[in-house]
Amino acid sequence: SQQGEEDPQALSIQEGENATMNCSYKTSINNLQWYRQNSGRGLVHLILIRSNEREKHSGRLRVTLDTSKKSSSLLITASRAADTASYFCATAHYGNNRLAFGKGNQVVVIP
Amino acid sequence: AAGVIQSPRHLIKEKRETATLKCYPIPRHDTVYWYQQGPGQDPQFLISFYEKMQSDKGSIPDRFSAQQFSDYHSELNMSSLELGDSALYFCASTDRGRFSGANVLTFGAGSRLTVL
Repeated sequence: SQQGEEDPQALSIQEGENATMNCSYKTSINNLQWYRQNSGRGLVHLILIRSNEREKHSGRLRVTLDTSKKSSSLLITASRAADTASYFCATAHYGNNRLAFGKGNQVVVIP
Repeated sequence: AAGVIQSPRHLIKEKRETATLKCYPIPRHDTVYWYQQGPGQDPQFLISFYEKMQSDKGSIPDRFSAQQFSDYHSELNMSSLELGDSALYFCASTDRGRFSGANVLTFGAGSRLTVL
């Protein structure tokens, strides 16, 4: 199944710094979403970007999408300790309704 | 606001036993998804239902089955459990009509299955 892949997979930063993580995918998408997961808990939707969009903002989040490179990035600005979590990208493809998740990117924000 | 409710939250079973997980989607959500997440792994899509009919099937073992009932709750039945079935099982729901196919999912807190 189609899966996004995040890179890098673990990031440790100081509070106030920015965190950037990337995701690549293999086939055409309808949209790409980012989710956050605190340890052992459910995933929480953060932001969605459609295939015809290039950039989207939501609060301290900025996501970009480059369909020519089949990649996306998620930027968290001015990170806080509460941003400590795993972040997953998920791709939605034409023809089916599933979301395919990539490997999580663990972010640790040090107070 | 009501969320996706999953039960039980924790379940311990022996090998070869059977387990049933339940999911109650957000009211008026018409689509339910099941995902399996092993330790340190990404969530793997198992199966989905739209308006009580199976709409998509992923990497769900033949030992597993699922259904969605008239009240829209869903159950995942797992038989002949194996050690490798130990994982977090998530249910998620969405209102396909509202999101026009964008499939923004609301996840439950998950059911942690441990097979000994």
